[in-house]
Amino acid sequence: AQSVTQPDIHITVSEGASLELRCNYSYGATPYLFWYVQSPGQGLQLLLKYFSGDTLVQGIKGFEAEFKRSQSSFNLRKPSVHWSDAAEYFCGADRGSTLGRLYFGRGTQLTVWP
Amino acid sequence: DGGITQSPKYLFRKEGQNVTLSCEQNLNHDAMYWYRQDPGQGLRLIYYSQIVNDFQKGDIAEGYSVSREKKESFPLTVTSAQKNPTAFYLCASSMGDAGETQYFGPGTRLLVL
Repeated sequence: AQSVTQPDIHITVSEGASLELRCNYSYGATPYLFWYVQSPGQGLQLLLKYFSGDTLVQGIKGFEAEFKRSQSSFNLRKPSVHWSDAAEYFCGADRGSTLGRLYFGRGTQLTVWP
Repeated sequence: DGGITQSPKYLFRKEGQNVTLSCEQNLNHDAMYWYRQDPGQGLRLIYYSQIVNDFQKGDIAEGYSVSREKKESFPLTVTSAQKNPTAFYLCASSMGDAGETQYFGPGTRLLVL
């Protein structure tokens, strides 16, 4: 079955600490991979995406993600978290069909302590 | 400014009533999507459309209907057959090809009276 897994439902970090949000996918071929962020009551905003090539992808707001084929993972990282990063984060995968469908994980809620 | 608009921001439905959520985009995108978001369940695809006058069911289409008469518009109707419609509904659009970024609207929260 096709799926995207975000193992952590809720993560709490202190402001200034580093962050890593996990994402795993279970497709036979490498899909296109995305990370989105959602503030309460808002739509989703794209942070970054991976197509191919360099496995370390830089995004907006100081985020980066690393694709690891051997682990079927695409983890999101930030070296120093700001209070404004508190939000819900979604990992998505497009398996490369012509339909452009995205499959999403269930999301990780990030709380930032001052 | 280019983008996706959804209206209304909040919508209330009485039992047995059909309600329609609006989604408009001026990004000249071919594909449009409707998602339902419930706490802890992520986003689930309701319907999607790759081209005008054509659309496909997603994973949870029962109790919903859509139309795509114009490229810019993809309204979603929540029918009385949808027994648990309370949720946050998100519309998105993209160029429609594999790997293209989906851009999201601000969402509509549907509540049942």
